[in-house]
Amino acid sequence: QSVLTQPPSVSGAPGQRVVISCTGSSSNIGAGYDVHWYQQLPGSAPRLLIFGNTNRPSGVPDRFSGSKSGSSASLAITGLQAGDEADYYCQSYDTGVAGPWVFGRGTKLTVL
Amino acid sequence: QVQLVQSGAELKKPGSSVKVSCKTSGGSLRSNAFSWVRQAPGQGPEWVGGIIPVFGTITYAQKFQGRVTITASGSPATIFMELRSLTSADTATYYCVTHKGDEMADVAFEIWGQGTLITVSS
Repeated sequence: QSVLTQPPSVSGAPGQRVVISCTGSSSNIGAGYDVHWYQQLPGSAPRLLIFGNTNRPSGVPDRFSGSKSGSSASLAITGLQAGDEADYYCQSYDTGVAGPWVFGRGTKLTVL
Repeated sequence: QVQLVQSGAELKKPGSSVKVSCKTSGGSLRSNAFSWVRQAPGQGPEWVGGIIPVFGTITYAQKFQGRVTITASGSPATIFMELRSLTSADTATYYCVTHKGDEMADVAFEIWGQGTLITVSS
């Protein structure tokens, strides 16, 4: 059981917008710690997609955006493309025994 | 840009040990921190432990305390992770990663190695 909770799957048609949620608690996101997001394409290592809640590393399209409110964070993807089909993971700092760095179990994005 | 090249896949027997290496190159490695993150089949990533070679600081996830050792040697550094008393639950892809962020609470994992599949089976 992961410390950060994500929906197992989301889907959307090309061109649409999807949002992936990440729910934490008072020992991680709710305590004000940053949330980071990763994209993992099939057969590849994860890739840092969003860091510090809202920041994109160089090379990440602005179709990807992050936000955080309270004990939850969200990753939004607009203008959905077939190449966005992947697993997405959130990660944060946690003061509990599972820490200091914890991940969600991931959300599988299917582009219809 | 830092690059991380890991050692190859291994098949191990239950109860044995495995040592995985991660050769670093490129970029400025003087103050980089590195961690090992593993991912079991169909599961999310899990942090195992980390090291800041220039300071010799090493931390491990409580779950792996006493069973894992992370070391570094050479310049540029090669990072090693040894995991002992292997069980089938340790079957996973192990990634070497660099840290982004100066404070522990800010850390994201920026650069990922290609991964090393460790299979534990009798």
